[in-house]
Amino acid sequence: QTVVTQEPSLTVSPGGTVTLTCASSTGAVTSGYYPNWFQQKPGQAPRALIYSTSNKHSWTPARFSGSLLGGKAALTLSGVQPEDEAEYYCLLYYGGAQPWVFGGGTKLTVL
Amino acid sequence: QVQLVESGGGVVQPGGSLRLSCAASGFTFSSYGMHWVRQAPGKGLEWVAYIRFDGSNEYYADSVRGRFTISRDNSKNTLYLQMNSLRPEDMAVYYCAKHYGSGSYLVYWGQGTLVTVSS
Repeated sequence: QTVVTQEPSLTVSPGGTVTLTCASSTGAVTSGYYPNWFQQKPGQAPRALIYSTSNKHSWTPARFSGSLLGGKAALTLSGVQPEDEAEYYCLLYYGGAQPWVFGGGTKLTVL
Repeated sequence: QVQLVESGGGVVQPGGSLRLSCAASGFTFSSYGMHWVRQAPGKGLEWVAYIRFDGSNEYYADSVRGRFTISRDNSKNTLYLQMNSLRPEDMAVYYCAKHYGSGSYLVYWGQGTLVTVSS
């Protein structure tokens, strides 16, 4: 059973910078896992933010960036805004019979 | 614009069946793979199933394989999820989502439909 692990919760001050990470139980996360990141606010459907490690969708604010960091996928928010308070999920691609696995999510609080 | 509208959710007893639908518009449905993702109350996202653009291949989470079947009707621009042998742990909001490819997954999402499994 593959497990994808994220920080359960993080807190950041408005205007600050925070990095969320996404680790795989199978070992280091590489670009071949095509990490995707999603944002979900209460009562809403998730929204895609980042695909294939670091690529942004047309609607993704510039303050969001994706990367690989220390064997994990990472989502960095620079100049955090109050509206960034949300749950963030990563998704990794493994191929095989169960190709995709979500991380458990990180609840980001802006305080 | 891309629009995905799920329907078919409701209350079902353990062991029962339900079929969810996802009506797609605003894009060429027959050109894209589609996913189902679920979220139990107060919990995180769980990927459930994927079907290729032409229905030629299906993939499932271990938790639903053998009980759920994903299918599509490209003539009706509609995605389906047939759920059999439902368990209390299947209770969740079920979302359909559009696949793009090239490492870009679940780009557009519907608003979800709630499935309640309870006696």
